[in-house]
Amino acid sequence: NAGVTQTPKFRVLKTGQSMTLLCAQDMNHEYMYWYRQDPGMGLRLIHYSVGEGTTAKGEVPDGYNVSRLKKQNFLLGLESAAPSQTSVYFCASQDNYGYTFGSGTRLTVV
Amino acid sequence: GENVEQHPSTLSVQEGDSAVIKCTYSDSASNYFPWYKQELGKRPQLIIDIRSNVGEKKDQRIAVTLNKTAKHFSLHITETQPEDSAVYFCAASQVRGSNYKLTFGKGTLLTVNP
Repeated sequence: NAGVTQTPKFRVLKTGQSMTLLCAQDMNHEYMYWYRQDPGMGLRLIHYSVGEGTTAKGEVPDGYNVSRLKKQNFLLGLESAAPSQTSVYFCASQDNYGYTFGSGTRLTVV
Repeated sequence: GENVEQHPSTLSVQEGDSAVIKCTYSDSASNYFPWYKQELGKRPQLIIDIRSNVGEKKDQRIAVTLNKTAKHFSLHITETQPEDSAVYFCAASQVRGSNYKLTFGKGTLLTVNP
């Protein structure tokens, strides 16, 4: 039982490049979330999903897309990376007892 | 949408002292208030939570209080230890069915000096 696994853990992108962050959970949770964490800003919700095949916008969705084709996986995509997207990205899945976070992805856009 | 304010942004205490972190929320419909601890370079982890049908909850050295009328809630840590040093986040959510979409405060860096 691995919980919530994020890949990759670190990545450096050049401005304009694209990439996909993967979040995988093995707890059969319906609800999954993508947050970004920036110094002094706390955790801000990017997108979330309430079940397979569903996605919804959070507080800061611009520049990101998501997909939930399988219940266990929630993908976060950056189509054209910008320096403002330099951040630590956390995925979380949720059951009746709260959130379980992944270990995070540190993304730097240069 | 919900807005959560957290104070102070940094807090330094001596080992053995108490620490208090306060949060206010804007949406009176919010009914679930968790606290997360994040050690340096690690993921946030849930340490305690409270629902709007109770005013206080304790778990060993940590406690959370909730004042629904004033829309604020607080984390209390007693007999602080160096391993309590971390960033603490409060959060609020209106639980709908099983959905806990959380809005987080900006965090408090707690430093416990030996």
